Order: sequence, then C-alpha cells, then structure tokens
Amino acid sequence: KAGVTQTPRYLIKTRGQQVTLSCSPISGHRSVSWYQQTPGQGLQFLFEYFSETQRNKGNFPGRFSGRQFSNSRSEMNVSTLELGDSALYLCASSVPGQRNTIYFGEGSWLTVV
Amino acid sequence: SQQGEEDPQALSIQEGENATMNCSYKTSINNLQWYRQNSGRGLVHLILIRSNEREKHSGRLRVTLDTSKKSSSLLITASRAADTASYFCATVSLYQKTSYDKVIFGPGTSLSVIP
Repeated sequence: KAGVTQTPRYLIKTRGQQVTLSCSPISGHRSVSWYQQTPGQGLQFLFEYFSETQRNKGNFPGRFSGRQFSNSRSEMNVSTLELGDSALYLCASSVPGQRNTIYFGEGSWLTVV
Repeated sequence: SQQGEEDPQALSIQEGENATMNCSYKTSINNLQWYRQNSGRGLVHLILIRSNEREKHSGRLRVTLDTSKKSSSLLITASRAADTASYFCATVSLYQKTSYDKVIFGPGTSLSVIP
C-alpha cells in the first residue's frame, strides 16, 4: 500500500507569490490533515478535510486555504507569501472515526525569500 | 494551552543506554500516539496506546500510559545512533460538539544518541 505522497518536496518562492501544495492520502483514507512545522513553533494544525469538507481549522490567517477532491486528494494554498511562511508543510491521512493511526507524508519544504 | 507536552525538550545519551521521554496532557483522551521524525523528514508512527491500556511494547520501545496522572512515557532500550531523531506525542480526543477526532501534537523531544 502506497504511503502518503506530497508534492513538491522542495520549493522556493518569493514574498507576495502564492503556492499550492498537493497531498495524496493512503488509499481508502478519507481524512486529510495539514500541519505547518517550524523550528520555533513545532507542529501547528492547519486544517482537516473529510469527504471534500473542511471539518476543523487551526488558527491561521485566511491566506491559508485548502480543499479536498472526490478522490480524497487534497491541496493547500498559501497566498501572498510572507517570509514567516517558510516551513515544512506536512500532510497526514487517517481513517476517521476509528481513532486509528495517523500517517504522515514526507512533507513539502517551502522557503520564502 | 498545549494538550501534549514532552519532557525533556532535549536528551543526549550514549549508545547502549536507555532513553526515556515523557508526555503530559490536560484533558481526557481516547488514545495517545508516539511518532519519530528524522531531520527534515515526515513523522513516522511508532506506537498507539489506547486510554484503557497501561503499557505497550514494540521491539525496543515501551510505552506506558497513566490516565490518572494524564501522562505517558516512551522508553527506548539499548539505544542506537540511528535512534537520533525528534520524538513527538500526539493526543487524540473528541471535539465536544462533534464526533470528530481532535489531534494535538506536543513540541517534541530531541534525542541524540552518541556512538
């Protein structure tokens, strides 16, 4: 069974640009969550999607958005990038409602210059 | 306030020694999970312990859960240089108004195993 796949793995953007990150969950997993990880802030929850609906949202500005498609694949978008958005963005998938293991992808390293 | 908090923040030991990391949390949970993260990589699931369990083993890993003290510990026995990584605990509970899972990660413990 393929794991959680995130693309791209590395990218560099300039301030003011926007970026889209993609996540393909494990087959059969309908819940996808996104996290931002920075050295100073640790793992911060961004949002969770289930069946194309956002169920939970963390405390991030509206520049951060996401969506989920009918095949459970998910994308997150950050508009008007700021230097502070430089981070590792992690996607995780799970089978919700069963409180089972959460599986993470390798992450997308975003550097904003 | 943070749900899961690991202690210590950083730990350095010699190869062959045991490493113990602790996680404390504040509210009731359904389960608690431990993860490992090598530098710059994704999180790898290590072990899940449910609220009605007290101890679980997986290879050189031993996890305990004390719901009365709202704490868990991860013990790595006979550590190896390859165990060098950050370790995170994650608590899984329910949002009060929905039946959705609420997952909160602690800030992690950075473990260095010196050869």
